[in-house]
Amino acid sequence: QVQLVESGGGVVQPGRSLRLSCAASGFSFSSYGMHWVRQAPDKGLEWVAVIWYDGSNKYYADSVKGRFTISRDNSMNTLYLQMNSLRAEDTAVYYCARDRGIAAGDAFDVWGQGTMVTVSS
Amino acid sequence: DIQMTQSPSTLSASVGDRVTITCRASQSISSWLAWYQQKPGKAPKLLIYDASSLESGVPSRFRGSGSGTEFTLTISSLQPDDFATYYCQHYYSYSWTFGQGTKVEIK
Repeated sequence: QVQLVESGGGVVQPGRSLRLSCAASGFSFSSYGMHWVRQAPDKGLEWVAVIWYDGSNKYYADSVKGRFTISRDNSMNTLYLQMNSLRAEDTAVYYCARDRGIAAGDAFDVWGQGTMVTVSS
Repeated sequence: DIQMTQSPSTLSASVGDRVTITCRASQSISSWLAWYQQKPGKAPKLLIYDASSLESGVPSRFRGSGSGTEFTLTISSLQPDDFATYYCQHYYSYSWTFGQGTKVEIK
């Protein structure tokens, strides 16, 4: 079945780095734009980043621009989020999500279960 | 940036009630709007896209409407499984913003 599985979360000190992964299965991964969305504890959803189906375009939320990098390996059906210079306010559950379209300008129809990132000293 | 404002923030209702949630955009987003349902500890689930299109597998008691800057999600007859938090989201012009959420509680 169509599935997204995130991994790589954990506890990290402020200023350090972490890389999240999202393994896709059950669909043609290389045909879809992909997103990262986060949710701080007891807060709402915040869009983080998007990457086109072929990796040709990437956009970021202002809150993470210059610190986070989204990438993908279509041969491995895997999406990544490299998070550098982490701050306490980056503490959240991070979800990967599939865009309904190739050019990533649509709603998110498939979500992973999320991975928790805690930034704390 | 386009801001999305939902109302109310919390809604108390009973099984069988008709429930309406409103979402307003700070500028016109045509019909580029989605609605999601989220239960505690779970990922969001897409209910409605393009303002009024029902996602496959979603019960027909969920209905989306609106265009431009004002949108509504209506649940025609609230069921026990519908108690959750609902988010609107725009996807206009390669940007994505969620509303702050509406929690539907048991009255």
